[in-house]
Amino acid sequence: DVKVTQSSRYLVKRTGEKVFLECVQDMDHENMFWYRQDPGLGLRLIYFSYDVKMKEKGDIPEGYSVSREKKERFSLILESASTNQTSMYLCASSLEGGGSYEQYFGPGTRLTVT
Amino acid sequence: LAKTTQPISMDSYEGQEVNITCSHNNIATNDYITWYQQFPSQGPRFIIQGYKTKVTNEVASLFIPADRKSSTLSLPRVSLSDTAVYYCLVGETYWGGKLIFGQGTELSVKP
Repeated sequence: DVKVTQSSRYLVKRTGEKVFLECVQDMDHENMFWYRQDPGLGLRLIYFSYDVKMKEKGDIPEGYSVSREKKERFSLILESASTNQTSMYLCASSLEGGGSYEQYFGPGTRLTVT
Repeated sequence: LAKTTQPISMDSYEGQEVNITCSHNNIATNDYITWYQQFPSQGPRFIIQGYKTKVTNEVASLFIPADRKSSTLSLPRVSLSDTAVYYCLVGETYWGGKLIFGQGTELSVKP
């Protein structure tokens, strides 16, 4: 079974802090994704990566950056956390790109910025 | 990019068949239609995917009309454990394509 793990289930940070969310997948998948999920808004794509050191902006990249130095690891970085970034963050991976390949999701990290 | 529209919520009773329809009027030629299920405090889980006509697996069926502007997820004989949020996803198949999640339909199954 594919396993996608995220570094924390719950995280509380202060405004202005730099925040790192880590995601690791164990199935040698090419693609990895970061989403945020908010009530009434569903899932929204922040960034995705289709190869090591490659990244593409999703629908809401502002305030975020990403890093993919190794194939199995995809990090989401909040350079200066703000309260409007309080949300559930979900990482996913897929074998290849696009909508025809199943995405496997991690359990999520609930981030609270105070 | 195709945008999807789903009902916000639906109620059902155990043993009934549930049909959830997703509208995607601007679907592109290369787009597949995928449905995910999400329980509270968990990430979404793949249910079914299709391109046209009908697809069936052990969990659900997916009906897609010829014009592909909508799709219907059918859950046969639901149980309490099917209470979840169901997402319709329309995505491009080419390398690096962007994906659009719908708002999600919150299905509540009652005894």
